[in-house]
Amino acid sequence: KNEVEQSPQNLTAQEGEFITINCSYSVGISALHWLQQHPGGGIVSLFMLSSGKKKHGRLIATINIQEKHSSLHITASHPRDSAVYICAVRPSGGGADGLTFGKGTHLIIQP
Amino acid sequence: DVKVTQSSRYLVKRTGEKVFLECVQDMDHENMFWYRQDPGLGLRLIYFSYDVKMKEKGDIPEGYSVSREKKERFSLILESASTNQTSMYLCASSLGSGGFYGYTFGSGTRLTVV
Repeated sequence: KNEVEQSPQNLTAQEGEFITINCSYSVGISALHWLQQHPGGGIVSLFMLSSGKKKHGRLIATINIQEKHSSLHITASHPRDSAVYICAVRPSGGGADGLTFGKGTHLIIQP
Repeated sequence: DVKVTQSSRYLVKRTGEKVFLECVQDMDHENMFWYRQDPGLGLRLIYFSYDVKMKEKGDIPEGYSVSREKKERFSLILESASTNQTSMYLCASSLGSGGFYGYTFGSGTRLTVV
C-alpha cells in the first residue's frame, strides 16, 4: 500500500522566512502533486511534477525520483501563504484512479 | 475561468436521509472523483468515473454510490446517511488518466449528519 508522509505536520514561521515542506512516498509514481488548501476548504493545484524542479513566483517544488522524495519551498514567506499544503502522488501502473494524499502540513506565517 | 462547482457549501441532514451531493465541471474532463476529508486522515477516494455511466470504487466506497449520466455531472449519493459520514466532501476532475494531467477541485461540501 502506498504511503505518503509529510513533514512537518505543523509549522509556524515569521514573515520573510524560507519555508521547506517535505514529502516522502513508498511506491513508484507517475506524478506528484503539491496542493494548497485555505481555510474554507477549496483546494488549488500548485505543481505537478514527474522529475526535476518547477518554480512559480515564490514557490519552488523539487522531486528526487530515486529517493522517493519531494520538497516544496516558499521564499520570502508572507502571511497570505498561511494554508495547509498537501502532497499527493499518482501511483504508476496505469488506470484512471485518483491520487494518494499525505495528511498535509499546516503552515502559519506570522507578521 | 474553468470550474468544478459543488452544489452546496454546507449541508445538514438527519440520520437515515438519502443525500445527494452534486458536482458539475465545465472543462469537458473525462475523469471525475469524489473524496472525503477528515482531520488526521487526509483526503480519501470514495469513487471515481472515467467516462459517462462508468464508475470505479475507490478506497472507502461503503455507504456511498455515484451516478454519472452526463459527462459534466458526477453525483455522490448517501443512501441512508449516518453520523460517521459527517465530513468535508470534495469533488475533482482531470482531463485524462495517468496523473499527467492536473486536477481541478471544487470548493467542497461540509456535510453534517445529525
